[in-house]
Amino acid sequence: AQSVTQPDIHITVSEGASLELRCNYSYGATPYLFWYVQSPGQGLQLLLKYFSGDTLVQGIKGFEAEFKRSQSSFNLRKPSVHWSDAAEYFCAVARMEYGNKLVFGAGTILRVKS
Amino acid sequence: KAGVTQTPRYLIKTRGQQVTLSCSPISGHRSVSWYQQTPGQGLQFLFEYFSETQRNKGNFPGRFSGRQFSNSRSEMNVSTLELGDSALYLCASSLGAQGQETQYFGPGTRLLVL
Repeated sequence: AQSVTQPDIHITVSEGASLELRCNYSYGATPYLFWYVQSPGQGLQLLLKYFSGDTLVQGIKGFEAEFKRSQSSFNLRKPSVHWSDAAEYFCAVARMEYGNKLVFGAGTILRVKS
Repeated sequence: KAGVTQTPRYLIKTRGQQVTLSCSPISGHRSVSWYQQTPGQGLQFLFEYFSETQRNKGNFPGRFSGRQFSNSRSEMNVSTLELGDSALYLCASSLGAQGQETQYFGPGTRLLVL
């Protein structure tokens, strides 16, 4: 069965500290991988995506993610967190044969301490 | 370029009623997908339309239906509303439907069923 696991429901980091949000997937062949962010009362915004090639991808707002096939992981990182990064983050997967259907993880709520 | 718009933004209905939600994609986008977001189940795929054809459908009962018009605008309908249908309904649009497309999400319609 297709699944995406985000093991951390909540994470709290201090402003300026580094951040890593974990994502593991079970989706057969290498899927298309995405990270989205959702601020309260807002829709989802794409941070970055991976299809193939370089396993380290850069996204918007200073985020990056690394695809590790051997671990079926696609962890999101940011070297220095800003208070405005407080939001909920979703990892998602898709496969070409399923069109644009995204399977989402449960999300990780990020709180930033000042 | 205007983003994805969804109307109405908020809706209150009672059990047994039906509801229609509307999504206008970004100009030029031909694919529209719908998702349901609830605290308990998270983000779940409802269906995807591309060029007026339903390409994929999630695991929802037949009370949930949708359609897409020739201008790519999409509507989803929920008949015989149940309390559990209370959720944020998000639509997303993209140029194509090959899975790796960037999907742009609207702000959502928040439905409350009493």
